[in-house]
Amino acid sequence: AQSVAQPEDQVNVAEGNPLTVKCTYSVSGNPYLFWYVQYPNRGLQFLLKYITGDNLVKGSYGFEAEFNKSQTSFHLKKPSALVSDSALYFCAVRDQAGTALIFGKGTTLSVSS
Amino acid sequence: GAVVSQHPSRVICKSGTSVKIECRSLDFQATTMFWYRQFPKQSLMLMATSNEGSKATYEQGVEKDKFLINHASLTLSTLTVTSAHPEDSSFYICSALRLAGGPGELFFGEGSRLTVL
Repeated sequence: AQSVAQPEDQVNVAEGNPLTVKCTYSVSGNPYLFWYVQYPNRGLQFLLKYITGDNLVKGSYGFEAEFNKSQTSFHLKKPSALVSDSALYFCAVRDQAGTALIFGKGTTLSVSS
Repeated sequence: GAVVSQHPSRVICKSGTSVKIECRSLDFQATTMFWYRQFPKQSLMLMATSNEGSKATYEQGVEKDKFLINHASLTLSTLTVTSAHPEDSSFYICSALRLAGGPGELFFGEGSRLTVL
């Protein structure tokens, strides 16, 4: 069975500092990995995905993530955080084409000015 | 990008009534849609997979008679919460799969907040 772990309930960073939101996964085959962001009472906004190819994936709003097969990780990163990045972030995985996404529990990012 | 529309975005109902939530893929055909439920400050839990023209596949622990799913066309799936009770209050989010070669892409609706009084 596929699963996703986001070990941190909350990440606090100061504006301008780099941020990292951690994610590890478990799937039986090749993983398709995703990051989404959710603002209060809103749906999900797609940030980036890894399907195949380059391990470093660049996405929306300056975010990037690195696929590490040996560590089964897909951490989300941004070089310089903005206050407007404060939101709930979800890592998700699919193990084959056509199946639903399985989500991690989410990490609340709080960026202080 | 592709658009998935959910309606209504918010609904308040009395206990014992039924509520229908619609999920539409506006600019692509989706043979498969997924329904998720999200409790406050928690993750999205997959409820069921909705396949056009066939019965939905429910996840373990989800009552199929409680949460009726219909996927009668390639652009519309509906979730009906029957005889709703306060514990059914939640944020429901749908996702539609657009197949365009490869693993396909999933697009999410804006969600529907159900409050049962």
